[in-house]
Amino acid sequence: DQQVKQNSPSLSVQEGRISILNCDYTNSMFDYFLWYKKYPAEGPTFLISISSIKDKNEDGRFTVFLNKSAKHLSLHIVPSQPGDSAVYFCAASGRLVRGSQGNLIFGKGTKLSVKP
Amino acid sequence: DAGVIQSPRHEVTEMGQEVTLRCKPISGHNSLFWYRQTMMRGLELLIYFNNNVPIDDSGMPEDRFSAKMPNASFSTLKIQPSEPRDSAVYFCASSLAHGSRGSYGYTFGSGTRLTVV
Repeated sequence: DQQVKQNSPSLSVQEGRISILNCDYTNSMFDYFLWYKKYPAEGPTFLISISSIKDKNEDGRFTVFLNKSAKHLSLHIVPSQPGDSAVYFCAASGRLVRGSQGNLIFGKGTKLSVKP
Repeated sequence: DAGVIQSPRHEVTEMGQEVTLRCKPISGHNSLFWYRQTMMRGLELLIYFNNNVPIDDSGMPEDRFSAKMPNASFSTLKIQPSEPRDSAVYFCASSLAHGSRGSYGYTFGSGTRLTVV
């Protein structure tokens, strides 16, 4: 059973508009969340993270929002640029999550296409 | 640092052949992870090592898969015999501490694209 879910396999956005990528999780013991970005033929690279003690973390054009009661987080990219086109993975961890040893658990990814 | 280095970048092999994927983690990192990426299942954790010791191999799909980490700077993932359904991109990642959740999490290699025909 998937503990981290990205229900939208793909998203298409116009350049300059906002991109919103969503992620849901099932285990309330997760306490740290990360977003990774992956270009074709490359490995995933870290983008931004958020601890469960916060509900928002911002880094330039990228903002991650965490709604613990809904077990939901989202990544906002404003404004979107063609270079943002990539697959975005949501990941979660929690030292008290049984069976995970505190390691990252990834969603399946959302492919973002930003059209000029 | 050159980052996590994986080889080969691409591997095409015939069904039944042995395949060996290689990984050199970032110097100083003490945890190493092998992932497989497919369209259907996304990023799956196959096995991870902490201080060169395999901690959890529950993600290894079958006995045909094996992984070793003979020292802190090298790991292999072997498939013997390989099957077409093993075709995927295999990533190696390393991190500084077991279950590290620092600002940067894991550092991934560029992956090995395996095609079994």
